[in-house]
Parts: sequence; C-alpha cells; structure tokens
Amino acid sequence: DAKTTQPPSMDCAEGRAANLPCNHSTISGNEYVYWYRQIHSQGPQYIIHGLKNNETNEMASLIITEDRKSSTLILPHATLRDTAVYYCIVRMRGGGSNYKLTFGKGTLLTVNP
Amino acid sequence: DVKVTQSSRYLVKRTGEKVFLECVQDMDHENMFWYRQDPGLGLRLIYFSYDVKMKEKGDIPEGYSVSREKKERFSLILESASTNQTSMYLCASTGRGRVETQYFGPGTRLLVL
Repeated sequence: DAKTTQPPSMDCAEGRAANLPCNHSTISGNEYVYWYRQIHSQGPQYIIHGLKNNETNEMASLIITEDRKSSTLILPHATLRDTAVYYCIVRMRGGGSNYKLTFGKGTLLTVNP
Repeated sequence: DVKVTQSSRYLVKRTGEKVFLECVQDMDHENMFWYRQDPGLGLRLIYFSYDVKMKEKGDIPEGYSVSREKKERFSLILESASTNQTSMYLCASTGRGRVETQYFGPGTRLLVL
C-alpha cells in the first residue's frame, strides 16, 4: 500500500468548511484513496473513497488531484461532532491476500465553537 | 444502516482469566475482523474470518483465538489474560471483496489487572 502523509492536527471553526489534506506521492494506478475518521473512544467510521474522480456523499467530498499524488477531504459545514482523527488510506480495492486496513497517525481535526 | 455491536464497552479482568469478547453484525457480511488499538501503535489486526468456521491469523494472533460458528457472530477469546493485553478491542465487518470499507463496532476497552 502506498504511504500517506497527513498533518498531525488542524483546527476549524464551527460552520466553516474543513479541508483535510493527504499526500500520497507513491500511489499506483490501481490504488484507491479511502478516508476514515475516529471520534474519541469510538470505532473508526468509513467516510468516502475514490480513484481519480472527485466524489461526494452525504458526509463529505473527496478531491483528488489530476496526478493523484494528493487528495483533500472536505467537510462542507463542520460541526462540533466532526471533531475526530481523520485517516487517509491508500490501497487496492478488493481483498486478495491483503485484507487488513493500515491506519497511520491521521489528522486530529478540532472543530471550535 | 450497518450495525456492528460488541458485547461490552468496558471490561475489567484479572491476569489468568479466560476472556470472551463478542461481536455481532446485522448486514449478512462475510468478512469479520478483530483489531486492537494502542496509543502510538495504531490499529493492529489480530484475526480475520472470511466465512463461517474460517479464520486467518492477522499480525498479532499470539495469546488470542477466535470462533465463528454463525455468520453474524465473531468471538475473540483471550485464553489466559495478561496485563499486556490491556487495550481497546475493535470488531469490524464488511461484505465479500470489500475489505477496504469496513464497518466498526464501538470498541471494548479491556483492562487486565
């Protein structure tokens, strides 16, 4: 799986957009970008994933650069409940022999009132 | 909505006790996982099951065993609990071929005294 780099922490004002960056310069052509988050004392929660096109769902938007070496997760109107550690994971789709998720250190997003 | 439940949120056991952690999912998922999460070490996969009665060792299976007698239920067993097994234990599930979008339970925080 490609290595990812995320800032250790970010702050965001409540109601504003939170833009969380992730660098994955060694991503290969068949690897997807996945985002999870983990609210304190809870299990991780899947948010969104994409290959090369921008993606949007009810939780967030994912913007992947054209060269696919970086991506940004956007929470359009952050709330206090979005305070969590956000993990960017790059891996191939499907199982095969690699069935585990590898979480790095992630970004602690703190949404302030 | 996928629901993954774990039998306890908090558990305190004594060294040498046999400990059972249970996980139940309600989405008919084939794959189920047990992870442990420790500060600074991230999530580490203990065991994985891709079908009833099937199991695969993860990265740190020593000291643990698992049981999957029914599709919806995956149990983690600590045969003889030790203090270094104090941790947050997370169960996850996902459908066949979709190991990258895992749904996690709330976690069980186990303290072994």
